[in-house]
Amino acid sequence: GAVVSQHPSWVICKSGTSVKIECRSLDFQATTMFWYRQFPKQSLMLMATSNEGSKATYEQGVEKDKFLINHASLTLSTLTVTSAHPEDSSFYICSALAQTSAQEFFGPGTRLTVL
Amino acid sequence: KQEVTQIPAALSVPEGENLVLNCSFTDSAIYNLQWFRQDPGKGLTSLLLIQSSQREQTSGRLNASLDKSSGRSTLYIAASQPGDSATYLCAVSGQGGKLIFGQGTELSVKP
Repeated sequence: GAVVSQHPSWVICKSGTSVKIECRSLDFQATTMFWYRQFPKQSLMLMATSNEGSKATYEQGVEKDKFLINHASLTLSTLTVTSAHPEDSSFYICSALAQTSAQEFFGPGTRLTVL
Repeated sequence: KQEVTQIPAALSVPEGENLVLNCSFTDSAIYNLQWFRQDPGKGLTSLLLIQSSQREQTSGRLNASLDKSSGRSTLYIAASQPGDSATYLCAVSGQGGKLIFGQGTELSVKP
């Protein structure tokens, strides 16, 4: 089946620093990737839709200047959390939409802890 | 605005029991519904996908049904095993292909 990877799997950083998370589709091309956030004991909440070669579309309430998304190729999207604060600590999951099947495949997630 | 609700929030059963997880959604205009499994601290594994025109899907001990008109889906797990312990998430896909997730049901199967 289609595989989506995320790097890093976990990261701990100091408040005020920026953190970049990568999402890669390993064996298929994805013009569209999604970024989700999941707080403990809660469900996944869609943050933004990342489209290759164009600007990301952000969900209501998500600050685009804080969560920078770059979808530079058909297999890679990055999420940069700028000036991270403890309230940004969460589990970030990406998914990639396979062009051929229109099915969404999920990455393993990245645990971000901001001290 | 689409809302997805899952009941119960948590469930603990002895090994071997058959069980049903429930999912309801407020807007019946969906393209498909999926059931996922999430292990602690991990990503999502897709279990079953039901297109809006379908009524059910089966995979091994899992059976998912969809009643779009009433906004309900159930996930039936037969002969539960300790390895089935995980959080089960229901998600519906609507306009633009966006997935709207429920809160999940945390299942614990005791040996």
